[in-house]
Amino acid sequence: GENVEQHPSTLSVQEGDSAVIKCTYSDSASNYFPWYKQELGKRPQLIIDIRSNVGEKKDQRIAVTLNKTAKHFSLHITETQPEDSAVYFCAASIPGGFKTIFGAGTRLFVKA
Amino acid sequence: NAGVMQNPRHLVRRRGQEARLRCSPMKGHSHVYWYRQLPEEGLKFMVYLQKENIIDESGMPKERFSAEFPKEGPSILRIQQVVRGDSAAYFCASSPTGGANYGYTFGSGTRLTVV
Repeated sequence: GENVEQHPSTLSVQEGDSAVIKCTYSDSASNYFPWYKQELGKRPQLIIDIRSNVGEKKDQRIAVTLNKTAKHFSLHITETQPEDSAVYFCAASIPGGFKTIFGAGTRLFVKA
Repeated sequence: NAGVMQNPRHLVRRRGQEARLRCSPMKGHSHVYWYRQLPEEGLKFMVYLQKENIIDESGMPKERFSAEFPKEGPSILRIQQVVRGDSAAYFCASSPTGGANYGYTFGSGTRLTVV
């Protein structure tokens, strides 16, 4: 089955710097890659996603890139702010599949 | 639209008791997914249900755990004879159609503590 690995597990950056979180997946049939943000004690919330027919997608300060050949995708956050501090999860799913497989999460700290 | 509603938000059970977690999907949604999040860990798929049918329960432990989504009413995740290792946050998500190729809207979760 699909397996998603996520690095780093913890990331600390200075406010205003960029943060990059990387994920790899195992099933080459995976075609949908969402990213979720989870603040302490709250539900995971979808922040951005990318499909396999697209190499990059941007939404204001966040962007995702996808390399299908290498089977890895990344989340980029620019001009980080303290409110970006949270746990971020990458995920992958296959066409027609019934479940989304999540990475283990990256705890991002943005220091003011 | 009230979103995905889960209750209770917090549930405390003694070892050996039963826990019932409820999930009401978004209006018009007939597909429900349950995920478990152990402390400091990621989300693990448990089960996917449509109304009156279990479609994929490959992530659910074979014993003590069961799930249903009746024609009327919320989806129920039931854990019998709870043990300390069942302590976790349980999240559900819903969708209007089947398949996992879209982003989930999660409920607020039920935080189960087994004492």
